[in-house]
Amino acid sequence: DAGVIQSPRHEVTEMGQEVTLRCKPISGHDYLFWYRQTMMRGLELLIYFNNNVPIDDSGMPEDRFSAKMPNASFSTLKIQPSEPRDSAVYFCASSPLGAGALSEQFFGPGTRLTVL
Amino acid sequence: AQSVAQPEDQVNVAEGNPLTVKCTYSVSGNPYLFWYVQYPNRGLQFLLKYITGDNLVKGSYGFEAEFNKSQTSFHLKKPSALVSDSALYFCAVRSSGNTPLVFGKGTRLSVIA
Repeated sequence: DAGVIQSPRHEVTEMGQEVTLRCKPISGHDYLFWYRQTMMRGLELLIYFNNNVPIDDSGMPEDRFSAKMPNASFSTLKIQPSEPRDSAVYFCASSPLGAGALSEQFFGPGTRLTVL
Repeated sequence: AQSVAQPEDQVNVAEGNPLTVKCTYSVSGNPYLFWYVQYPNRGLQFLLKYITGDNLVKGSYGFEAEFNKSQTSFHLKKPSALVSDSALYFCAVRSSGNTPLVFGKGTRLSVIA
């Protein structure tokens, strides 16, 4: 398996523009997580899905952020409009259902977002 | 609520010396504890986990961690550090079920030749 796939790996945009980050989880994994990593705040959970359904989005910072999972193999995180303070590395992770609490989360390589 | 504390932002160790990266946790119920490593410009990679059983857990790349329930700690250790171990290390916990891992802020390990 190729692991969790994220695209793009790097994104540079200007303030006010829409940004869409993409994630393909590992096949067969039922859980998908979006995290944001910054120097100041460390690794923050933004939202997670179970079987394509959002379970907890309390970590989404503002209404400018939205996430979807239209099917088991694809998820997007959208920021509209983007602001410089959104600059961070965004990680997607997935994990299988069966192992429950025993299972580790598998992380993608991340998308480094820079908003000018 | 679950939480993890990594009290050291940075740990420096000479190559060949033993290393310890500290982690303490707070959770209601039984803890499930994890260590991840992040190399520059990479995602987090799983190192090891404690679920139950032996308090000493062995993982990838020669790392091990010791679960101490009375001290609510799960310190990461390695007998002999390598320069290639230099990276950012994250401790994480969950209490039960299919809930997301809660991560600490990370500890940057620097192994000096």
